Parts: sequence; C-alpha cells; structure tokens
Amino acid sequence: DQQVKQNSPSLSVQEGRISILNCDYTNSMFDYFLWYKKYPAEGPTFLISISSIKDKNEDGRFTVFLNKSAKHLSLHIVPSQPGDSAVYFCASGVTYGTASKLTFGTGTRLQVTL
Amino acid sequence: NAGVTQTPKFQVLKTGQSMTLQCAQDMNHEYMSWYRQDPGMGLRLIHYSVGAGITDQGEVPNGYNVSRSTTEDFPLRLLSAAPSQTSVYFCASSYGAGGSDTQYFGPGTRLTVL
Repeated sequence: DQQVKQNSPSLSVQEGRISILNCDYTNSMFDYFLWYKKYPAEGPTFLISISSIKDKNEDGRFTVFLNKSAKHLSLHIVPSQPGDSAVYFCASGVTYGTASKLTFGTGTRLQVTL
Repeated sequence: NAGVTQTPKFQVLKTGQSMTLQCAQDMNHEYMSWYRQDPGMGLRLIHYSVGAGITDQGEVPNGYNVSRSTTEDFPLRLLSAAPSQTSVYFCASSYGAGGSDTQYFGPGTRLTVL
C-alpha cells in the first residue's frame, strides 16, 4: 500500500515557467512533509519542508503548499531553471517519534527545457 | 567535513555471495538509516539506528543485517545475495530521529547481483 504517491512520473517545463509537482498521502498520522531533489549518480538532497500546522512554506524560488483536508501537497518552482532538472521525491513522516521512518513517493522527473 | 560517505560506489556480486556496504558520517549524527531505490518504487527503508548499539528494522529488512558499534559507522551486510537485491543503496543520517530532522544522504552504492 503506497502511503505517499506521486502520480506523475515525469514533467517537462520551459525555462522561466512555473513547475508544479504534486504528491498525495493517505496516512493521517503524517505531520511533516519534505521534498528532496536528486541528480543522477548522487544521493537525494533536502530541498524544502512543511509542518502540518502550516499550509505554505517558501524558500526562494521554491514554495510548498499543503492541503491537509485533501491530503495533498505540491511543490512550486518559479521561475524554473535548467539546473532544476532532476528527480523530485516527496516524503512524509511524524515529527515526534522514536525514529524518523520517512515514507517516500516514487519520484517525479522534472526536465526544464530551454 | 565529508558528510555521509559510502563505499563502494559500484559492486557486482554472484548469487549467494555476501558483502558489506560501508557508510560513515562525520557530523556526529545519532540517527542513521539505509534505503534502497528501485525503479517505480521510490526509496524504501531497510534498517535504521537511533544511536550506537541500537538498530531496528524498516520496511524491507529481509536479507540484510546491520550493526552500529560507533556513532560514525553503520554498515549494511548482505548475507547471501539474491538478484532481487539488485538496487541502488543509500545511507542517510540526521541529528535527531524525528520526522522534521533533515536527513543527509550519501552518494549511493549501485549493486548488481547476477
């Protein structure tokens, strides 16, 4: 049972436009959500996160939106740049737990074209 | 500060062979974990440790052993390799064990079992 779903395996966006990556989760115990970015032959790197007490978090060109009632989060990248081309994973977890058992989605490959 | 390091980068094994994937971090993180990444499956947690001497199973622990004798090192042992263990393996560490603690990933080990 996939508790964190990224239904779009790939996305292509023109440079300068907005990229929107989506993620759905089913486990209502999750109260912390993260996005990781992964380049080929490298490990994932942390991008941005959001707690369930918020509905939006911004960091430069990156904004994460959380809709708790719909159990949906999205990552907006504005403006998109060629260097943003990577695989993006959303992950969910519980803030106060004995172990950080993050559950990852399957990833969305973003390609930013010139 | 090297962060999280993994060795080897690539490995080919024959079915039935055993080997150890090495992971080390120099950030004095208490929490360390191992994930495997397979196409269409995202990252799945194999084993994790909340401190030296303490380990526990993740989502897909079968066929793998871990130990944590020091804060810095968290090796993953394949007891008798099987083709189903062909995957990319990532080690991660974080300061704390909560879902909000940013995990730092190593560059990965690509393992092929023939």
